[in-house]
Amino acid sequence: ELKVEQNPLFLSMQEGKNYTIYCNYSTTSDRLYWYRQDPGKSLESLFVLLSNGAVKQEGRLMASLDTKARLSTLHITAAVHDLSATYFCAVVVGSNTGKLIFGQGTTLQVKP
Amino acid sequence: EPEVTQTPSHQVTQMGQEVILRCVPISNHLYFYWYRQILGQKVEFLVSFYNNEISEKSEIFDDQFSVERPDGSNFTLKIRSTKLEDSAMYFCASRPSYFSPLHFGNGTRLTVT
Repeated sequence: ELKVEQNPLFLSMQEGKNYTIYCNYSTTSDRLYWYRQDPGKSLESLFVLLSNGAVKQEGRLMASLDTKARLSTLHITAAVHDLSATYFCAVVVGSNTGKLIFGQGTTLQVKP
Repeated sequence: EPEVTQTPSHQVTQMGQEVILRCVPISNHLYFYWYRQILGQKVEFLVSFYNNEISEKSEIFDDQFSVERPDGSNFTLKIRSTKLEDSAMYFCASRPSYFSPLHFGNGTRLTVT
């Protein structure tokens, strides 16, 4: 059974600092997605990573994928309060339905 | 920008009652999903729907659950006899193609008392 594990699960950081969220998954997959969720809200797609070595950047967030290590990272550069949210990685595996299996989520709190 | 629309936003029901959660996916999307999220926990896959039939379902999706696409636009999730542990946020999602990200609706918060 596929397991998707994120760490840390909770991250409190100061504005202006850098940090990385890690997403490990247990079986082969060729696709990984990152989503953002604000409290009580829906899930917003951030990045789609489709191949080994893929790197995507949007503003202060950068995501990468290493399919050989079964690892994706979400790097936050010079954090700002608006980035406070829960971030989920999600993996597609072994299915022709394209279902996503989500990690537990990482709650990011950026303090002024 | 087109959105996935879910109704109601909040449903309160008594244990043992039937509920129907409704979703209108984005019009040109082909793949449809239901997920649920128990408060503060991970997002769990329930069922996928493609070509007018269930393509995959999880262990959670037992005989108490069913999905339909009754009129080619709406996509419904029915829970026949709700249990306390069904209390969760239920998200509908759709995508236009296999490699696209899922577009999620705003969710229906189901509270079973």
